[in-house]
Amino acid sequence: DTAVSQTPKYLVTQMGNDKSIKCEQNLGHDTMYWYKQDSKKFLKIMFSYNNKELIINETVPNRFSPKSPDKAHLNLHINSLELGDSAVYFCASSQAYQGHQPQHFGDGTRLSIL
Amino acid sequence: KQEVTQIPAALSVPEGENLVLNCSFTDSAIYNLQWFRQDPGKGLTSLLLIQSSQREQTSGRLNASLDKSSGRSTLYIAASQPGDSATYLCAVSEGGTDKLIFGTGTRLQVFP
Repeated sequence: DTAVSQTPKYLVTQMGNDKSIKCEQNLGHDTMYWYKQDSKKFLKIMFSYNNKELIINETVPNRFSPKSPDKAHLNLHINSLELGDSAVYFCASSQAYQGHQPQHFGDGTRLSIL
Repeated sequence: KQEVTQIPAALSVPEGENLVLNCSFTDSAIYNLQWFRQDPGKGLTSLLLIQSSQREQTSGRLNASLDKSSGRSTLYIAASQPGDSATYLCAVSEGGTDKLIFGTGTRLQVFP
């Protein structure tokens, strides 16, 4: 069974559209994250949630809105998509916030804006 | 502002060699340091986590060391195999948070 799963795996859409990416973890972890990996493969954190509460918001445009309906799910909604949003978005989870626990990553969602 | 750099950016070696990958960070006030591998088209897999109070961690053929005062970590891979081919990323977690700041990565190719 996949520990951290993201859907969809690929997303191709036009500029200006609104889209959502879903993430689910079956590890029983308390903390979940969204990362963005750009075309140069540089990985940067966007958000983290602990027990459905927003902990980290890294100066991400407010077109990006994460939502955590429960501890096992963290979704990412993006409004008015721009060309610069093209990237791979990774979801991750870890057992506890501020614990020395490794983060477990999903396989990513490859977003391409036309 | 914390910056993480990895050297070399790319490495190509024959099977069987022992390897050292380097990671340096500018602010020594870290909470922990993690090494990951990323295979093409895949997410990251955690390899080793070193807490700020620790000096090294080992898992199989992998050994990671941490010298916090000098802002350096090394990942040692013994007896490399073609299956070790991947991009290796180090990341530091800042004091008391789970915020990971990633390095630029080392792309490793091990050929038979």
